[in-house]
Amino acid sequence: KAGVTQTPRYLIKTRGQQVTLSCSPISGHRSVSWYQQTPGQGLQFLFEYFSETQRNKGNFPGRFSGRQFSNSRSEMNVSTLELGDSALYLCASSAREREQFFGPGTRLTVL
Amino acid sequence: AQTVTQSQPEMSVQEAETVTLSCTYDTSESDYYLFWYKQPPSRQMILVIRQEAYKQQNATENRFSVNFQKAAKSFSLKISDSQLGDAAMYFCAYRSANYAGGTSYGKLTFGQGTILTVHP
Repeated sequence: KAGVTQTPRYLIKTRGQQVTLSCSPISGHRSVSWYQQTPGQGLQFLFEYFSETQRNKGNFPGRFSGRQFSNSRSEMNVSTLELGDSALYLCASSAREREQFFGPGTRLTVL
Repeated sequence: AQTVTQSQPEMSVQEAETVTLSCTYDTSESDYYLFWYKQPPSRQMILVIRQEAYKQQNATENRFSVNFQKAAKSFSLKISDSQLGDAAMYFCAYRSANYAGGTSYGKLTFGQGTILTVHP
């Protein structure tokens, strides 16, 4: 069974731009979560989707948004990028298992 | 809100020896899950071991085992016969036990991580 995939793997943007990251969960997984990882703040929860509904949201500004499609694929969008948005963005999916399975991440650099 | 604390920013171990990584957490919930994840330089987050709070028996996965002390809210990871490939950042994580539609849900709350170095 294929793992969680994330595209793109690397991204360079400039301040003020917007970006969309994509995540395809493991086949059959309906829950998708997003995390931001930075050296200073560590791993922080962004949001969680289940069956196209946002079930949970972390403490991030409204510039961060996401959605989930009927095939469980998920996208997250960051508008008006700031330097501090530079991070590794991790997507994870889960099903009946208690654990979340992670993708390889998207490395976003904001210049 | 739940919190997870890893008090050891860095640890080192000689190859073939044993090392223990510490983790404490704070919660008012009675049912939850605890995990150890490993993140090597590739940045891929890999599940190492899982513990259900309702189980008194400590989880074991090959060379990896945990010491789960529910009353003390402590969850340490022991790595036996350490190998060079064990070198990575290790994260302790907490997840509430929520289910709906046959699917578990709920965010993972992570500790700050412990960098493990393995010396040959």
